[in-house]
Amino acid sequence: DARVTQTPRHKVTEMGQEVTMRCQPILGHNTVFWYRQTMMQGLELLAYFRNRAPLDDSGMPKDRFSAEMPDATLATLKIQPSEPRDSAVYFCASGLEGVTGRFFGEGSRLTVL
Amino acid sequence: QQPVQSPQAVILREGEDAVINCSSSKALYSVHWYRQKHGEAPIFLMILLKGGEQKGHDKISASFNEKKQQSSLYLTASQLSYSGTYFCGTATGTASKLTFGTGTRLQVTL
Repeated sequence: DARVTQTPRHKVTEMGQEVTMRCQPILGHNTVFWYRQTMMQGLELLAYFRNRAPLDDSGMPKDRFSAEMPDATLATLKIQPSEPRDSAVYFCASGLEGVTGRFFGEGSRLTVL
Repeated sequence: QQPVQSPQAVILREGEDAVINCSSSKALYSVHWYRQKHGEAPIFLMILLKGGEQKGHDKISASFNEKKQQSSLYLTASQLSYSGTYFCGTATGTASKLTFGTGTRLQVTL
């Protein structure tokens, strides 16, 4: 059963620490997305990749966030340094552009103290 | 700009029908629909492309009126398992960027 896998599922850290979230997209999907979900802002797109190339990261605070896709089976989202306002659920999703919708991973719940 | 969903919340008895609307101020290329249960990831329901599509599976269907820049999700003979928050996501072009609405919370009761 193909699915998007995210790690870690839960992360509690202190302000100023580096946080790295990882995502394994569904094999064969050519687009990968990072979303952040909070009660106040809903689902926000942070970054997305097509064929591993970054296409849009306009939703991401560039001074502290970075997203990469070192290979087709791994996407990473890094926050350095983390701040309490970064506390949220971060979802990775993948899809086959023009063919499928977004298939979401189970999310990484981040709490920054 | 974020699409507007209505209603914000709805409570149904099992077996009743519901309609959730999604409106955009921009010309749309596609509309996606997702359902999210509390503490879980959004689940993809369906995608509609411009051309006035209507799609459906089981008792959940949707329509897309590109002239009005609107989409509607229809849930018929609702079941308890339909409870959750429904999101529409809209795209203005073939590129992959979706903008999600604020969601419609649906609760189905006995």
